[in-house]
Amino acid sequence: AQTVTQSQPEMSVQEAETVTLSCTYDTSESDYYLFWYKQPPSRQMILVIRQEAYKQQNATENRFSVNFQKAAKSFSLKISDSQLGDAAMYFCAYRTNSGGSNYKLTFGKGTLLTVNP
Amino acid sequence: DAMVIQNPRYQVTQFGKPVTLSCSQTLNHNVMYWYQQKSSQAPKLLFHYYDKDFNNEADTPDNFQSRRPNTSFCFLDIRSPGLGDAAMYLCATSRGRGWTEAFFGQGTRLTVV
Repeated sequence: AQTVTQSQPEMSVQEAETVTLSCTYDTSESDYYLFWYKQPPSRQMILVIRQEAYKQQNATENRFSVNFQKAAKSFSLKISDSQLGDAAMYFCAYRTNSGGSNYKLTFGKGTLLTVNP
Repeated sequence: DAMVIQNPRYQVTQFGKPVTLSCSQTLNHNVMYWYQQKSSQAPKLLFHYYDKDFNNEADTPDNFQSRRPNTSFCFLDIRSPGLGDAAMYLCATSRGRGWTEAFFGQGTRLTVV
């Protein structure tokens, strides 16, 4: 079974600075997707960024980028120019792209990000 | 506009009293999911529907049931809630085969007293 580990329960960053959230995962598969989801307080979880395992290029979405290291099974999220609105719980998630379990999203425990003004 | 709507946002139920949580979607997605999210834990998939096909996770207790009467609606029934069932329950949807994004509702916070 796949597992996702987020080793940082909490992180903090100063407004306008950069922060990196860590995620590692365990899988024996080669074809899968990785995601970072953001869950603000009392609001729904939304997708921040995704990465397909077969793509070598790291995904980027505006101020959000990932460092995908497939061999190391590492998938970190970098937030540049942090804003107060970035404060949220961030979840790393995995889904296989093969077989009957490809509808299942497996989450890590999350990292609570605080942005200090 | 909200695309996945969960009702109610907060639910208080008595120990052992059946409770139903509801979820609706305007995305016309094939797949609907129910996740249980406890504090400081990863959201845990309880089950999902692909259209009318129900897929239960192996470790989901029998106390949890689900219904999907049509594409738009999905219900989570907890037959006899225990104190350990207090959690946030998240409904999500995805397009189906080859999906690359799941859409979540705001969740229902269940308290068992």
